[in-house]
Amino acid sequence: DAGVIQSPRHEVTEMGQEVTLRCKPISGHDYLFWYRQTMMRGLELLIYFNNNVPIDDSGMPEDRFSAKMPNASFSTLKIQPSEPRDSAVYFCASSLALGRQETDTQYFGPGTRLTVL
Amino acid sequence: DQQVKQNSPSLSVQEGRISILNCDYTNSMFDYFLWYKKYPAEGPTFLISISSIKDKNEDGRFTVFLNKSAKHLSLHIVPSQPGDSAVYFCAASEGNDMRFGAGTRLTVKP
Repeated sequence: DAGVIQSPRHEVTEMGQEVTLRCKPISGHDYLFWYRQTMMRGLELLIYFNNNVPIDDSGMPEDRFSAKMPNASFSTLKIQPSEPRDSAVYFCASSLALGRQETDTQYFGPGTRLTVL
Repeated sequence: DQQVKQNSPSLSVQEGRISILNCDYTNSMFDYFLWYKKYPAEGPTFLISISSIKDKNEDGRFTVFLNKSAKHLSLHIVPSQPGDSAVYFCAASEGNDMRFGAGTRLTVKP
C-alpha cells in the first residue's frame, strides 16, 4: 500500500478563497482523522470518521471548516472562506481501529502546507 | 486548553549520548500514551507506546517511562544517533479522545 495520500502538498491562496484538501486513507482502515499542526498548539485533532461517518467534529474550529468522507477511500477538508490564521500544515491519518494495541496506531499522510495570504 | 504539554521546544545532544524528551499531561483519565517522530516534509510516524498499566516500555534504543502520579512521561533514546534528529510528539488518549503535545525538536550532533 502507498500509505496515506494527501493532495495538494502545498497550497497558497488568498484570504476569502475556498480551499479543499484531499486525503486517501490506507485501504482497509476504518478510521480517518484530520489534524492541524501549528507551532503554538502542536497537532490538533479536527475531526475523525469511522466507516465514513463523522464521529467527533468537536475539534473543528468554526463553521468555515467542513469535512466529508463520501466513500471509504476518499475524504475532503474544506475551508470556506479561508483566513490567514488558517495557515498551518494539515495532516490526514488513518487506522484500523481505536484500540490500545500497536496495530491500531495511526498512519499519517505527508501533510498539506496551507498558506493563506 | 492544552492537556498534553511538551515544555521544551528543542533539545540538542551529542551523538552517542542519551536524549531525554519529556511530556506532561493534565487529564488523569488518559490511559494510553504514544510517541511519534516527524521528519521535515513528512507526516508523523509511530515510534513507541505505553499503556497506563505499565511504567516502562522498551524497544531497542527507545524507552518510554510513565509516572502516573506525576502525570509525566518521558522518552529516552540511547545511544542517540544523528538520524534521530526530528520533531517528537507525545500523545495521550482516553477512549476516542487523543491529544498531542506541541512537539520537541531533537538535534543530535555528530
